[in-house]
Amino acid sequence: EAQVTQNPRYLITVTGKKLTVTCSQNMNHEYMSWYRQDPGLGLRQIYYSMNVEVTDKGDVPEGYKVSRKEKRNFPLILESPSPNQTSLYFCASSIGGAGAMNTEAFFGQGTRLTVV
Amino acid sequence: AQTVTQSQPEMSVQEAETVTLSCTYDTSENNYYLFWYKQPPSRQMILVIRQEAYKQQNATENRFSVNFQKAAKSFSLKISDSQLGDTAMYFCAFRGNAGNMLTFGGGTRLMVKP
Repeated sequence: EAQVTQNPRYLITVTGKKLTVTCSQNMNHEYMSWYRQDPGLGLRQIYYSMNVEVTDKGDVPEGYKVSRKEKRNFPLILESPSPNQTSLYFCASSIGGAGAMNTEAFFGQGTRLTVV
Repeated sequence: AQTVTQSQPEMSVQEAETVTLSCTYDTSENNYYLFWYKQPPSRQMILVIRQEAYKQQNATENRFSVNFQKAAKSFSLKISDSQLGDTAMYFCAFRGNAGNMLTFGGGTRLMVKP
């Protein structure tokens, strides 16, 4: 079954304690991205990756890091989480490339992060 | 940069009736795609329907259809014969020539009442 798997689904942590949210896809997609969802703001892109070892900032990258060492995995790293990073996070993947405009983006199940 | 606006934060509709969700966007690009995603309480993001800007014919998927007005930069979603399972958050999204990034609106929470 084609899917994007995120873990964990729920996470409560304290300010400053480094954490990683994992994301893995089994569709051999080139393009992967991370979004955060906040009430009234919809989903905003944090970082994206066009392919292995190629990553770039999205609209709200401050306080986040990513890596793409393998095609299937795209972890999101919060080196020093702060309360304003409390949000719902989604990983997504799609085929990518110049002809990819009409292709469906597949989303993970979301990670609800609370930073206290 | 593109922007997507959903002006209705919340809506409700009686079961079996029809409801229309609004979406407007701003872009200088000529070719692009527009999407509607559904997010039920399970948080899963489900693609409902997509529309290519170059196609004049409005997309339809079963009970879901769009009214795409390119000149007005409007992309509304019509849900016919609403069902309880349609209760969800609905997001309008834009994808342009860059090919990959989706720009989302703020969402509309739809409640279908029995």
